[in-house]
Amino acid sequence: DAGVTQSPTHLIKTRGQQVTLRCSPKSGHDTVSWYQQALGQGPQFIFQYYEEEERQRGNFPDRFSGHQFPNYSSELNVNALLLGDSALYLCASSLAGAGGPSETQYFGPGTRLLVL
Amino acid sequence: DAKTTQPPSMDCAEGRAANLPCNHSTISGNEYVYWYRQIHSQGPQYIIHGLKNNETNEMASLIITEDRKPSTLILPHATLRDTAVYYCIVRDPTSGTYKYIFGTGTRLKVLA
Repeated sequence: DAGVTQSPTHLIKTRGQQVTLRCSPKSGHDTVSWYQQALGQGPQFIFQYYEEEERQRGNFPDRFSGHQFPNYSSELNVNALLLGDSALYLCASSLAGAGGPSETQYFGPGTRLLVL
Repeated sequence: DAKTTQPPSMDCAEGRAANLPCNHSTISGNEYVYWYRQIHSQGPQYIIHGLKNNETNEMASLIITEDRKPSTLILPHATLRDTAVYYCIVRDPTSGTYKYIFGTGTRLKVLA
């Protein structure tokens, strides 16, 4: 059973550049959430995609955008990178449903982004 | 979603039970308690969740008191590989709020 996969594992960018991170959900899942985790902090919710649309958004500027494809995979795009965007970016997948175990989010290994 | 409070750190001897507490005094009736752990900046790993009853799986047990305000995650025989940050999250999956709100968690160190 394939788990959540993310690419790339590490990335170095320069201030002002743009970056795209990718996520493939766990087999059978249709929903993808993105989180940002700064060093020493817990993950912070960026947004969630379901049926190819952004279903909920956290407190992040619109420099952060995303996309979900028909195969349920997803991309996170960050424009005009700032030094403060350096973090571990986590993707989590789940199965949309009425609650209980089907709503449990399973996380990928993350992409570590360093902005210089 | 209700807020959670966890101790910042705990130590446990290898082979002993690790009991990690979580306080969620404002939890509502439909909110589940979820536990995750994160080992050395890997992605958070799902451990267990529950609503009202105690739960057990191959990784851990979750004890939820009758008033549901505190809960305890129990790792019955801690190993060095259980050293991680443990997060307690409460969430109502039927509320229309899909995000998990992570606190700073409890850093568990298992000692040889």
